[in-house]
Amino acid sequence: GQNIDQPTEMTATEGAIVQINCTYQTSGFNGLFWYQQHAGEAPTFLSYNVLDGLEEKGRFSSFLSRSKGYSYLLLKELQMKDSASYLCAVRPYSGNTPLVFGKGTRLSVIA
Amino acid sequence: DVKVTQSSRYLVKRTGEKVFLECVQDMDHENMFWYRQDPGLGLRLIYFSYDVKMKEKGDIPEGYSVSREKKERFSLILESASTNQTSMYLCASRGGYPYEQYFGPGTRLTVT
Repeated sequence: GQNIDQPTEMTATEGAIVQINCTYQTSGFNGLFWYQQHAGEAPTFLSYNVLDGLEEKGRFSSFLSRSKGYSYLLLKELQMKDSASYLCAVRPYSGNTPLVFGKGTRLSVIA
Repeated sequence: DVKVTQSSRYLVKRTGEKVFLECVQDMDHENMFWYRQDPGLGLRLIYFSYDVKMKEKGDIPEGYSVSREKKERFSLILESASTNQTSMYLCASRGGYPYEQYFGPGTRLTVT
């Protein structure tokens, strides 16, 4: 089976740093994705990790540890517009197989 | 720029009606997907297609069918809509490396 766990909700203050964790137990591993989804809108791609380590992209960074089945998304200098759901997804196999999504973490940024 | 479009943003149908949701992508992607998204349940895969005329069941295919006659178009069909199919429906497509999925804007379907 495939299982991806994320916290359901988080709250953080504008200007702060927040870390959203994701743990996965999947039958295989060919990459991990993070998506951002604002309320009522479609998910948009944020980052991709396939090797261990940190990938940085502006205010957003994503970390992967394959041996621990663990990833996190780090958001720095939080802004109100970062209030959204953040979805963790794993590609378990190579080839034409779908991503497996977690249920998402709803982040609220407060003043 | 990558583009996935869906035929309607909002749709209201009656119980028992046949419903067609259309999705078109302009990226020449081979893989296309249909999900539904409900509060507390996350994204659930209904069907996917990895090539024209090919389809595979996802996690919750019951009550749905799909059609892919052309590479750019993937249709989701509700044969006889029921109230428990009220949901947000999201279409996605996927190309090559790094294999991220691009989502359409979604269709919020209400079945009364």
